[in-house]
Amino acid sequence: EPEVTQTPSHQVTQMGQEVILRCVPISNHLYFYWYRQILGQKVEFLVSFYNNEISEKSEIFDDQFSVERPDGSNFTLKIRSTKLEDSAMYFCASSEQTNTGELFFGEGSRLTVL
Amino acid sequence: AQKVTQAQTEISVVEKEDVTLDCVYETRDTTYYLFWYKQPPSGELVFLIRRNSFDEQNEISGRYSWNFQKSTSSFNFTITASQVVDSAVYFCALSVPAQKLVFGQGTRLTINP
Repeated sequence: EPEVTQTPSHQVTQMGQEVILRCVPISNHLYFYWYRQILGQKVEFLVSFYNNEISEKSEIFDDQFSVERPDGSNFTLKIRSTKLEDSAMYFCASSEQTNTGELFFGEGSRLTVL
Repeated sequence: AQKVTQAQTEISVVEKEDVTLDCVYETRDTTYYLFWYKQPPSGELVFLIRRNSFDEQNEISGRYSWNFQKSTSSFNFTITASQVVDSAVYFCALSVPAQKLVFGQGTRLTINP
């Protein structure tokens, strides 16, 4: 069964360092998303991406964040200068269509900022 | 704007008991989709069910059942004869066409042996 894969599963970094989280969406999906879950809290929307551009972003997604689809398969989330409060689980998701809301989530990348 | 409320932060029951997780949603759209996800201790999000706003039929899948009531804007989830493996955080979520999926705060369910 096709699935969304994310790497790394866990990354530990020092405050101020750049981090890139990688995702391989399901191959025929056109819509891509990043969500974040701070430990013990709800899953929050960060950004959606379609046709090589951001289609929507939340207020969390400030200038420290960027997304890119560098090739035909990867979808990356970059945090330029990490802060302690960026520690969270980051989920990538993809969907074939946008009008049904059916997202397929990866297993998440846990980011720990020290 | 869409909103999902899961008023139960934590529930703890003994194995084999039935348990219902509540979900209340808000949206002005007439077309919308409701979801339940399970998040086990390992952290991934496991899709359980999707329901669209035009289909109010209740659904049963094994020990799981869902009660969708538009009149009360609720989409409740019941586990019958709970098992220890059902212990997880359960999230209710809502989306409308072409917009992001919005999650509730989650309910942490603990099934004690």
